[in-house]
Amino acid sequence: GIQVEQSPPDLILQEGANSTLRCNFSDSVNNLQWFHQNPWGQLINLFYIPSGTKQNGRLSATTVATERYSLLYISSSQTTDSGVYFCAVLGARGSQGNLIFGKGTKLSVKP
Amino acid sequence: ETGVTQSPTHLIKTRGQQVTLRCSSQSGHNTVSWYQQALGQGPQFIFQYYREEENGRGNFPPRFSGLQFPNYSSELNVNALELDDSALYLCASSFGVNTEAFFGQGTRLTVV
Repeated sequence: GIQVEQSPPDLILQEGANSTLRCNFSDSVNNLQWFHQNPWGQLINLFYIPSGTKQNGRLSATTVATERYSLLYISSSQTTDSGVYFCAVLGARGSQGNLIFGKGTKLSVKP
Repeated sequence: ETGVTQSPTHLIKTRGQQVTLRCSSQSGHNTVSWYQQALGQGPQFIFQYYREEENGRGNFPPRFSGLQFPNYSSELNVNALELDDSALYLCASSFGVNTEAFFGQGTRLTVV
């Protein structure tokens, strides 16, 4: 099945810094989503981005489907950005309709 | 518009018991998927229901079963609980199987 790799696994930033999180996937995808998991466990939707570029405030994401990767940019980070960021994909081939998640990037933003 | 809601939020069960977790899908959604997330890991797919039929299943034993009701809400049942079943259980709903999924807040199950 499709493999999803996220990097880096851990990231520590000073408040105000910028960061880039990466998601590589091993096959064609119909769907790619970025989530932020809050301390209580809920997955918050950040972007639905099977291809192209989107921006939402300080966050933006780019997916290059032909090269099988996606990037999540966080600018001017705040302590509330801390948490785990997941990339999840829906494979285009042989998919049962389920999202395949990476292992996540744990972000800690220090004041 | 009501989002995805799960109940209960926390649950403690004894090994060997049975548990039922519930999920109300977002208004207008007809597809529900269930995931298990162990500590420090990404969510793992359990199964999906589309219009009351099971549409796919991950690598989980038959003691994990589910239902979807005519209003598209769903239940996850786990029989003969094992210690390793302790995890966060997440429900996601979507309109169709290949569209954006939205998650509930999860049910944290502890098996002792």
